[in-house]
Amino acid sequence: GNSVTQMEGPVTLSEEAFLTINCTYTATGYPSLFWYVQYPGEGLQLLLKATKADDKGSNKGFEATYRKETTSFHLEKGSVQVSDSAVYFCALSTQGGSEKLVFGKGTKLTVNP
Amino acid sequence: GAVVSQHPSWVICKSGTSVKIECRSLDFQATTMFWYRQFPKQSLMLMATSNEGSKATYEQGVEKDKFLINHASLTLSTLTVTSAHPEDSSFYICSARSDGGRYEQYFGPGTRLTVT
Repeated sequence: GNSVTQMEGPVTLSEEAFLTINCTYTATGYPSLFWYVQYPGEGLQLLLKATKADDKGSNKGFEATYRKETTSFHLEKGSVQVSDSAVYFCALSTQGGSEKLVFGKGTKLTVNP
Repeated sequence: GAVVSQHPSWVICKSGTSVKIECRSLDFQATTMFWYRQFPKQSLMLMATSNEGSKATYEQGVEKDKFLINHASLTLSTLTVTSAHPEDSSFYICSARSDGGRYEQYFGPGTRLTVT
């Protein structure tokens, strides 16, 4: 079946540090890949997405590249801020758009000043 | 941006009773709403998909008679957990989608259910 594995947290970084959150997937066909972010007390928000191999999604300084050969979609940011503290979820959909989302377990990121 | 609310944000109920959770799209019409369940340190698991005016489609392993979903209007869907038991204690999250072309799901903040 379809599944998403992402690195377990929590992850604690100092401000301006480099961030990588690993995400790998197993899926039939060619899934679309997503990163969602959940700030404290709020609902999940779409952070970025990629719909085909070698696509790079980017938003708010975050990037992730769809790597079909390694079935990965790692999230990166060059310089994190305190305001980036949140839980990050990697997800996939095999039905196009964002239906039937399959999520990873989430990675909690804390950025200290 | 699109906002989805859930009510209540947390609820405690006794075993054997039923509890209703509301999911509202505040500034758009949601033709489709999704209900997820999340256990501690686990993924969000899709429970069911509901389209306005239609019966919900449940994922394999989800009891439709236990988790009643009603999507009676374009801005409101409800999830009723009937005859709740302690194992139903979980975090329930809804999302809503409009057919405006982008097909993005907008998520509510979740409802924490504790069954004693």
